[in-house]
Amino acid sequence: SYALTQAPSVSVAPGKTARITCTGDHISTKSVHWYQQKPGQAPILVIYDDNGRPSGIPERFSGSNSADTATLTISSAEVGDEADYFCQVVDTSSTYRIFGGGTKLTVL
Amino acid sequence: QEQLVESGGGVVQPGESLRLSCAASGFNFRKNSLHWVRQAPGKGLEWVGRVSTDGSYEDFTDSVKGRFTSSRGDSKNTLYLRLDTLRPEDTAVYYCARHRGSGYFDLWGRGTLVAVSS
Repeated sequence: SYALTQAPSVSVAPGKTARITCTGDHISTKSVHWYQQKPGQAPILVIYDDNGRPSGIPERFSGSNSADTATLTISSAEVGDEADYFCQVVDTSSTYRIFGGGTKLTVL
Repeated sequence: QEQLVESGGGVVQPGESLRLSCAASGFNFRKNSLHWVRQAPGKGLEWVGRVSTDGSYEDFTDSVKGRFTSSRGDSKNTLYLRLDTLRPEDTAVYYCARHRGSGYFDLWGRGTLVAVSS
């Protein structure tokens, strides 16, 4: 079955750029979606279809997808961006929705 | 305002059953695909399964196949998840989420906690 791999944690200084990666076999052939989850809250969609941004999501959030790695980029990181971030795709062979293990972003 | 509200969670013993509900409002329930996603304490997100918009087809992840079923109550704008033969490893917050287009979830409920323990 298809698997997505994320680093457990990423740290960034306030005002700098954070990059969170999601690796999977030929992931560039899939649409990748990203969710932000803060403690005690439900996930919210921050990027869909590799680089689409839902209404209400700041332009600081962007996405890219190439070869075996998809990347969520958060520019000018803020303390309020601290959260767990999950990538997600559809496994076309099974139709299952697959999530990465999540990356905890720390802004300090 | 578009909203999903889950309910029905609780503490049960292994082997027991529960029925979760997900009440939808603010959008056309009949035309939208809704899925179930769970999150064990301190863990990541795991897709559980779905039922088709007309209720004729359902699909679940392997670990719950044969134990979980889902149905839709269109007159009540409510999605249901029946959890049978529960195991300790089913302990999690269960979310319902609206599914879109190429496979993303653009609207989530706040979740309901299911705890399976003897």
